[in-house]
Amino acid sequence: DSGVTQTPKHLITATGQRVTLRCSPRSGDLSVYWYQQSLDQGLQFLIQYYNGEERAKGNILERFSAQQFPDLHSELNLSSLELGDSALYFCASSVTPETGAQPQHFGDGTRLSIL
Amino acid sequence: AQKVTQAQTEISVVEKEDVTLDCVYETRDTTYYLFWYKQPPSGELVFLIRRNSFDEQNEISGRYSWNFQKSTSSFNFTITASQVVDSAVYFCALSERGQGAQKLVFGQGTRLTINP
Repeated sequence: DSGVTQTPKHLITATGQRVTLRCSPRSGDLSVYWYQQSLDQGLQFLIQYYNGEERAKGNILERFSAQQFPDLHSELNLSSLELGDSALYFCASSVTPETGAQPQHFGDGTRLSIL
Repeated sequence: AQKVTQAQTEISVVEKEDVTLDCVYETRDTTYYLFWYKQPPSGELVFLIRRNSFDEQNEISGRYSWNFQKSTSSFNFTITASQVVDSAVYFCALSERGQGAQKLVFGQGTRLTINP
């Protein structure tokens, strides 16, 4: 158990819909990361937050947004969903991002299926 | 640009064989960090090891060992006396020292199947 909690574990929805994925980091971790794992793109970094502020952005679509709340949990919002958004979405956390050396501990992921 | 290459897409061996998973990376930075993660069939990503660019010592943890060679930009992972429970997809990843930001760049993964 990594200590990172993601909900829900599975999500099935239709094209055009909007969903919210939730992540609670490990106790004491201030930085949260979101990754997307798909068959064609592999594991791709989406976005990082540190203590409530956005710190880095990867290949995140404009239809996607995220935030980190004062209690440090984070949400990833996906809107106008397309078939290609079907993927496993991971949240990870680390103590701080300052040195780049901290290992990121991953949650079990949310499997999103678009019908 | 950062890049991680795991040339072996799939490896299949018989239990108790030794197996080495290759990882080659590209980075322009002099300070960077390398990681290995395991993704078992259940889907979660499990952190295995971190190595920084200043430490080229090999590391051994039980049946697992890692060989970091800066000269060839490689960070290979060896499982000795493999077991069925080692069956998983293994990812090598790279991060660079950043200004308050860190992203992991992953390789495409190597699917390892250990047959009884």
